[in-house]
Amino acid sequence: KQEVTQIPAALSVPEGENLVLNCSFTDSAIYNLQWFRQDPGKGLTSLLLIQSSQREQTSGRLNASLDKSSGRSTLYIAASQPGDSATYLCLPGTYKYIFGTGTRLKVLA
Amino acid sequence: DVKVTQSSRYLVKRTGEKVFLECVQDMDHENMFWYRQDPGLGLRLIYFSYDVKMKEKGDIPEGYSVSREKKERFSLILESASTNQTSMYLCASTRIGSQETQYFGPGTRLLVL
Repeated sequence: KQEVTQIPAALSVPEGENLVLNCSFTDSAIYNLQWFRQDPGKGLTSLLLIQSSQREQTSGRLNASLDKSSGRSTLYIAASQPGDSATYLCLPGTYKYIFGTGTRLKVLA
Repeated sequence: DVKVTQSSRYLVKRTGEKVFLECVQDMDHENMFWYRQDPGLGLRLIYFSYDVKMKEKGDIPEGYSVSREKKERFSLILESASTNQTSMYLCASTRIGSQETQYFGPGTRLLVL
């Protein structure tokens, strides 16, 4: 059974800091891995998708890496801003698509 | 753009009622999913389907059933609603393949009284 853990569970940082969010998963037979953000009371927004054959993917200030063999992915956020405050979720794409537990990020102005 | 729609944004039902939550996607995706989201518990997979008339249990199927009679529509059924099924319900769909993103509907917030 796929188990997905995200560390830290919550994070509060001053504006401008570079951040690393971690995702680990037990079943490495994944098609891909997605990172989402969710604002309070809202739906999920897809941020990045890394295919299983890729090592990383970048979009603006976001960079996601994937180490499939060790069951790990990281999301790097550069120069954080208050607008980055949200919950970040990882989703390893396997047979069952089980979500990670999420990291609640708060960026202080 | 892919669109995943859910029949209701907000729903209030009584204990014991039969409840239908509908999800429709317009991109011919093979895979469809139902999740529920609760504070402190994250998103949990209830059921999923990889084809018409096919269904698989997720992590928390108890108290729920699903129906997929057409490729674009995936219905979640609460046979006899209970208060512990008060939650946000999210539907998603994706095409099979490593480069395929999972797309989400806006969610249905269900309150069972």
